[in-house]
Amino acid sequence: QQQVKQSPQSLIVQKGGIPIINCAYENTAFDYFPWYQQFPGKGPALLIAIRPDVSEKKEGRFTISFNKSAKQFSLHIMDSQPGDSATYFCAAMYTGNQFYFGTGTSLTVIP
Amino acid sequence: GAVVSQHPSWVICKSGTSVKIECRSLDFQATTMFWYRQFPKQSLMLMATSNEGSKATYEQGVEKDKFLINHASLTLSTLTVTSAHPEDSSFYICSASPGHYYQPQHFGDGTRLSIL
Repeated sequence: QQQVKQSPQSLIVQKGGIPIINCAYENTAFDYFPWYQQFPGKGPALLIAIRPDVSEKKEGRFTISFNKSAKQFSLHIMDSQPGDSATYFCAAMYTGNQFYFGTGTSLTVIP
Repeated sequence: GAVVSQHPSWVICKSGTSVKIECRSLDFQATTMFWYRQFPKQSLMLMATSNEGSKATYEQGVEKDKFLINHASLTLSTLTVTSAHPEDSSFYICSASPGHYYQPQHFGDGTRLSIL
């Protein structure tokens, strides 16, 4: 059973657009929600993370929006660039390191 | 900070041989290390979790005798694929965590394993 559901599977946007990737979870025990960016042939790199006591967190062009009541969170990439083309994974974590990853979203930013 | 080094990055070997992959946390002590397998265009599949000084916990369906994990120190974990066969060819990725609350996993760059 997929603990964290991620959509869409793939996404194509024009340069400067704002791609949005969504994740949903059921288990209310999750208390930490990181996003990872992965380029081909590389391991995932931590992008940004949020805790459920915060509704939004911004780091540079990346923003996480968190809706605790709906058990959903999303990643927004402002002013997207071709260099942002990668696969993005959301994750959810219990306190104590039990991690669950989403299925990934392949983002392509067209110049 | 939070650098995880994985070695080798790519290995090709004959069927039946054993392959060892190393995962090192370079600038922090990793209480817990994780090993994942990733197929093309798919998500990460957790294989096992290891805590320093204790036996690894394997996920359901992962053969512990095939995939030997050792976490002998707070900065090093190894995955040995024993008697490898072509179906073991994959991208293997390790990650490490300091083990404190709200600490994310930090990933190595993965090992591309090809068994001929």
